[in-house]
Amino acid sequence: EAGVVQSPRYKIIEKKQPVAFWCNPISGHNTLYWYLQNLGQGPELLIRYENEEAVDDSQLPKDRFSAERLKGVDSTLKIQPAELGDSAVYLCASSSTKSGTGLNEQFFGPGTRLTVL
Amino acid sequence: DAKTTQPTSMDCAEGRAANLPCNHSTISGNEYVYWYRQIHSQGPQYIIHGLKNNETNEMASLIITEDRKSSTLILPHATLRDTAVYYCIVSFRSNDYKLSFGAGTTVTVRA
Repeated sequence: EAGVVQSPRYKIIEKKQPVAFWCNPISGHNTLYWYLQNLGQGPELLIRYENEEAVDDSQLPKDRFSAERLKGVDSTLKIQPAELGDSAVYLCASSSTKSGTGLNEQFFGPGTRLTVL
Repeated sequence: DAKTTQPTSMDCAEGRAANLPCNHSTISGNEYVYWYRQIHSQGPQYIIHGLKNNETNEMASLIITEDRKSSTLILPHATLRDTAVYYCIVSFRSNDYKLSFGAGTTVTVRA
């Protein structure tokens, strides 16, 4: 079974430029997450999708960040314009519908490491 | 959400058991304890979760105290490949089991 696919793996851009990250979740997973991870810290949730609907985007800085998941499968996260402080790893994860066991096993991709110069 | 407290780092010897503690003294009755780990340059990976009872799977064992205020993740026979950051997280159904990662414990397994 293929895991969560993210591209690109690395991206270097100059500040004020736009950038986009792509994520293809595990087949059949209806829930998709975007996380931001700064160096030395744990991942922080940016947005969560249930199928096509963004059900939790409270931590997404909406002035410069946007995301979409048009057909309920793959997703794109965009930053426009990028700032120096956006340098981080952007992780995508997916999971399937929750069972009654409290299990929320999220499967993470390898992430995209963004460097803003 | 209940907060968790973990040691910043710990070392263990290859082949020995690694016991990773986590305090979650404000945990509520419907909150689960999750453990994830993150190997360098990879995304986090689910290890195990539990509510009240001790749990074991092919990767690890989770021991939850009777008052549920703390837990211990046990890697029975640590290998060099277990070197990673280990995150203890508490979450519950009404927030859709949202995962709030802290800084975790950096575990270094030494030969």
